[in-house]
Amino acid sequence: GAGVSQSPSNKVTEKGKDVELRCDPISGHTALYWYRQRLGQGLEFLIYFQGNSAPDKSGLPSDRFSAERTGESVSTLTIQRTQQEDSAVYLCASSLRTSGRNTGELFFGEGSRLTVL
Amino acid sequence: GDSVTQMEGPVTLSEEAFLTINCTYTATGYPSLFWYVQYPGEGLQLLLKATKADDKGSNKGFEATYRKETTSFHLEKGSVQVSDSAVYFCARLNTGFQKLVFGTGTRLLVSP
Repeated sequence: GAGVSQSPSNKVTEKGKDVELRCDPISGHTALYWYRQRLGQGLEFLIYFQGNSAPDKSGLPSDRFSAERTGESVSTLTIQRTQQEDSAVYLCASSLRTSGRNTGELFFGEGSRLTVL
Repeated sequence: GDSVTQMEGPVTLSEEAFLTINCTYTATGYPSLFWYVQYPGEGLQLLLKATKADDKGSNKGFEATYRKETTSFHLEKGSVQVSDSAVYFCARLNTGFQKLVFGTGTRLLVSP
């Protein structure tokens, strides 16, 4: 596709259930990022992929959160045993890297809104 | 650590008013600086960037100048339009050049 695609766009789940959020980056973009945006707050970095390895996963809030990426393509963010504080919009972004460096020019999807009841 | 601080919103202006949204960054290294914008119902998109001191980024009538001496990157526009209503995020590239660190966002509301 032309842009970053995320699914589902909306997810309502019950506390304690597991959820999977999917991100399809722009073709050819080697770097992929997950951020979280809680209501009324800024963007919180979760994890960064370069290819299918994750050099920086420092932002994952707990071991209930995990992410993987297949090659330089789709990524899945999984939240196990969801809690109410996990309610947020989860944003995925992708970018090119030039000369081995992050340009900072990220292309964002529209996000997956997660509501945990 | 690496961080950015931007003014709290909402900023409420009438059409054709002058806009300033303040942003300051922590002075670790010489980061590239960015403004991103999120229009209602859309994903974040890059508005402008500056990669070194005294650089001026500009796009769609918006400007921001990289001021090393004041560690600032304030966003300005001379005459706002209703269509500029959005949330604006200041961001810096962290010192490892691996990720963007975002401010908390400033909502701009422009009325006719």
